[in-house]
Amino acid sequence: GNSVTQMEGPVTLSEEAFLTINCTYTATGYPSLFWYVQYPGEGLQLLLKATKADDKGSNKGFEATYRKETTSFHLEKGSVQVSDSAVYFCALSDNQGAQKLVFGQGTRLTINP
Amino acid sequence: GAVVSQHPSRVICKSGTSVKIECRSLDFQATTMFWYRQFPKQSLMLMATSNEGSKATYEQGVEKDKFLINHASLTLSTLTVTSAHPEDSSFYICSARYLASGKTYNEQFFGPGTRLTVL
Repeated sequence: GNSVTQMEGPVTLSEEAFLTINCTYTATGYPSLFWYVQYPGEGLQLLLKATKADDKGSNKGFEATYRKETTSFHLEKGSVQVSDSAVYFCALSDNQGAQKLVFGQGTRLTINP
Repeated sequence: GAVVSQHPSRVICKSGTSVKIECRSLDFQATTMFWYRQFPKQSLMLMATSNEGSKATYEQGVEKDKFLINHASLTLSTLTVTSAHPEDSSFYICSARYLASGKTYNEQFFGPGTRLTVL
C-alpha cells in the first residue's frame, strides 16, 4: 500500500538557519504530494502541494519539489523564523476515489531566537 | 480558507460510557468528511470516510460498531466512541472536503482535534 516516511524529529534550529525536512514515499500510480503544518493548538493546514512530477510547491518561503525518480518531496526553507515552530507532516493522495490522504509521522520543528 | 470546527476540544469520560464528537464545516458544504486518530508522536491514521447521507467506509482494523459515524448533513458529521475504554484515549481529528468536478485534487480542511481521555 501507499506510505510516507519523513525525517524523525524533533528538529531544533536557530533563527535564519536553513531548513530541510526529508520525505520519501511509496505509491502506485501518480500521487499528489503535500506538506501540512500544525501550529500549537490548531488544526492541520495545507502548506504546499504538488500534483505531478517535477512540480514545485511553494508557500511562505517554503518549497518542495516532486521528484519521481527518487520518490521524494523534501521540504526546504532558506531562513527560518521563530514563528515557523510547528509540526510538519508530509502526505500523499492517490487521486483515486475518495482521495484519501496518507501521512508521514510528523516532524516537530523548534526555532530558537 | 475554509473553516472546520470540532466540539468538544477536550473530553474526559469514565470507562464504559459513550462519547460523541462533532465536526462542522462552518462556511462550506462538505460532501465528504474524514475521521483520523493521532497517537502521541505518531502520524494521523485514517479511521473512516463518510459521505453525506450514506454509510461511512471504515479502514481495515477499525471497529465500526465501536466508532459510530453519522454524516447527516452537508455541514455536520459526528463520531461516537461507544463503551469507551482507556485504550481509546487519543486525539481525534476530522477533516471536510467539497468535491468539485474537474479538479485533480480537492483540498481537505482540518478541524483542531478533540483530545479524548478515558479513565
